[in-house]
Amino acid sequence: AQKITQTQPGMFVQEKEAVTLDCTYDTSDQSYGLFWYKQPSSGEMIFLIYQGSYDEQNATEGRYSLNFQKARKSANLVISASQLGDSAMYFCAMREGLLNYGQNFVFGPGTRLSVLP
Amino acid sequence: NAGVTQTPKFQVLKTGQSMTLQCAQDMNHEYMSWYRQDPGMGLRLIHYSVGAGITDQGEVPNGYNVSRSTTEDFPLRLLSAAPSQTSVYFCASSWTTSGDTSEVDEQFFGPGTRLTVL
Repeated sequence: AQKITQTQPGMFVQEKEAVTLDCTYDTSDQSYGLFWYKQPSSGEMIFLIYQGSYDEQNATEGRYSLNFQKARKSANLVISASQLGDSAMYFCAMREGLLNYGQNFVFGPGTRLSVLP
Repeated sequence: NAGVTQTPKFQVLKTGQSMTLQCAQDMNHEYMSWYRQDPGMGLRLIHYSVGAGITDQGEVPNGYNVSRSTTEDFPLRLLSAAPSQTSVYFCASSWTTSGDTSEVDEQFFGPGTRLTVL
């Protein structure tokens, strides 16, 4: 079964608008962490934001915020005030805390975001 | 700090050839891993290591070998290249894979190796 699901293969957003990229996850572990990475066309993987399963507040990093709904097992990335440079692939990933030691960092299939001028 | 380095950046092989993708990190990270990235499939774990001398298989290990003789280096060997191994390969490292998720402990990625097998 897919541990990380990203249902939006591609998204478009107008420059300066906000956009939400969806991510749902599946785990029976009580302790886990959720990550978002950005991969621009140049290919490198850039870490954006992290949410621990025990964190009560949603994580924020500049224009990025993570809408964490634990009961729904969702960890959506919100990008505010989109910029042309935000055009990239975005990957949601999960690290389980106790289960599957060593193999516990899994990625979703990604969402390609295109920011329109 | 150079972070995570990978060589080569590009490689073309013929079916049946062998080669080694190099990966090194200078952050004294315990955990290192190799992923392959194929269109529409995200990153899939090939092999990983939780410390020098310790390696194990990930999701897609067939056709690949690894070793970890030092903390810094984690080479990936393709034993007999096949067209199905055409992919982009990423090496990554992190401090640990402990159960303490209060620590961010993100994975740091190398720049990737684009491999084509003809």
